Amino acid sequence: DAGVIQSPRHEVTEMGQEVTLRCKPISGHNSLFWYRQTMMRGLELLIYFNNNVPIDDSGMPEDRFSAKMPNASFSTLKIQPSEPRDSAVYFCATGRGSGNTIYFGEGSWLTVV
Amino acid sequence: DAKTTQPTSMDCAEGRAANLPCNHSTISGNEYVYWYRQIHSQGPQYIIHGLKNNETNEMASLIITEDRKSSTLILPHATLRDTAVYYCIVRAPVGGGSNYKLTFGKGTLLTVNP
Repeated sequence: DAGVIQSPRHEVTEMGQEVTLRCKPISGHNSLFWYRQTMMRGLELLIYFNNNVPIDDSGMPEDRFSAKMPNASFSTLKIQPSEPRDSAVYFCATGRGSGNTIYFGEGSWLTVV
Repeated sequence: DAKTTQPTSMDCAEGRAANLPCNHSTISGNEYVYWYRQIHSQGPQYIIHGLKNNETNEMASLIITEDRKSSTLILPHATLRDTAVYYCIVRAPVGGGSNYKLTFGKGTLLTVNP
């Protein structure tokens, strides 16, 4: 079975540019999480969707970050405009139901220069 | 959220059992304990979870104390590929409904030595 699929795997962009990260959940999973990982702050939960509806976005850093889940098969995390401090690995994780085990993708490695 | 405390790092000899402790003294009666690990440059990988009974699967065993204030993850025969950061997490409710989230701490870096 295909796991959580994230794209791009690696991206280098210039400060001020828009960045869009994508996630395809495991088929049948209806909860989706976006995490960010840095050396300084570890793994941080940014936002959580259940049945395509945002449940908790308290971890979204600021207005430059936005996330959408237009359907059960796709989610995006957008940063506009990007800044060097946004450099991190962004993970998408999905699960079946609202309280069950979640499975992570391999991450999108973002570098903003 | 119930917080967890883990040692920063541990070492284990290849082929021996690795016992990773976790304290979660503020855990509530209906909160599950989850364990994940993260091998360098990869996404976190689910290992096991439990509520109050001991659990075992193909990867590991989870021993939860009777008062549920601590737990131990056991890798029965550690290999070099088990070198990773191991996270102990108490699953926390989101809002007032039946939604939950996993909040990761700093975990334990387990190094398996040849």
